[in-house]
Amino acid sequence: ETGVTQTPRHLVMGMTNKKSLKCEQHLGHNAMYWYKQSAKKPLELMFVYNFKEQTENNSVPSRFSPECPNSSHLFLHLHTLQPEDSALYLCASSQATYTQYFGPGTRLTVL
Amino acid sequence: TQLLEQSPQFLSIQEGENLTVYCNSSSVFSSLQWYRQEPGEGPVLLVTVVTGGEVKKLKRLTFQFGDARKDSSLHITAAQPGDTGLYLCAGFKPQGGSEKLVFGKGMKLTVNP
Repeated sequence: ETGVTQTPRHLVMGMTNKKSLKCEQHLGHNAMYWYKQSAKKPLELMFVYNFKEQTENNSVPSRFSPECPNSSHLFLHLHTLQPEDSALYLCASSQATYTQYFGPGTRLTVL
Repeated sequence: TQLLEQSPQFLSIQEGENLTVYCNSSSVFSSLQWYRQEPGEGPVLLVTVVTGGEVKKLKRLTFQFGDARKDSSLHITAAQPGDTGLYLCAGFKPQGGSEKLVFGKGMKLTVNP
């Protein structure tokens, strides 16, 4: 596979569930990102990892927990989410702070 | 307040028409990017403009970066149904020794056959 892949593509979960989103990049990049895309809002940067270390957390609620075991993989662990967390969650990667390459996203619905 | 304002937010046109999308800010950006996002997919980079006044062409798409590096425009000539999608502008803004990429809300374009 090439580029940035995300699984699952669609996820429906209840507010008491625990689930994880997975992102994998095959581009040899050293930075990975999680974004949230909601209707009528700009893309919101959630987390940034450089060389597996978290370098940015944009005041994201603790019910979202990122994990970056290596430079190619990024996870977003979800627990006790709220309906307003329903959105498209996009993963991206880049070499340093240059052009970001996005995955197709996970469409999350919280019931 | 929105750092990058895009206008219009929605546009529905007929095939063959021309259109211009604007991306405006009161802030200066070191560079600015345009992305297109199709339904069910992530944004795909179209172009990066770096120099004030720069004009870049990509087939029927013409991108311009404002002289003061605060605004940009995207002009599409003879739009086609395949141009349908969400067009996002994003600017690199210096922050804490590095640069942060900030996005506008996007312009949703529908080109009808």
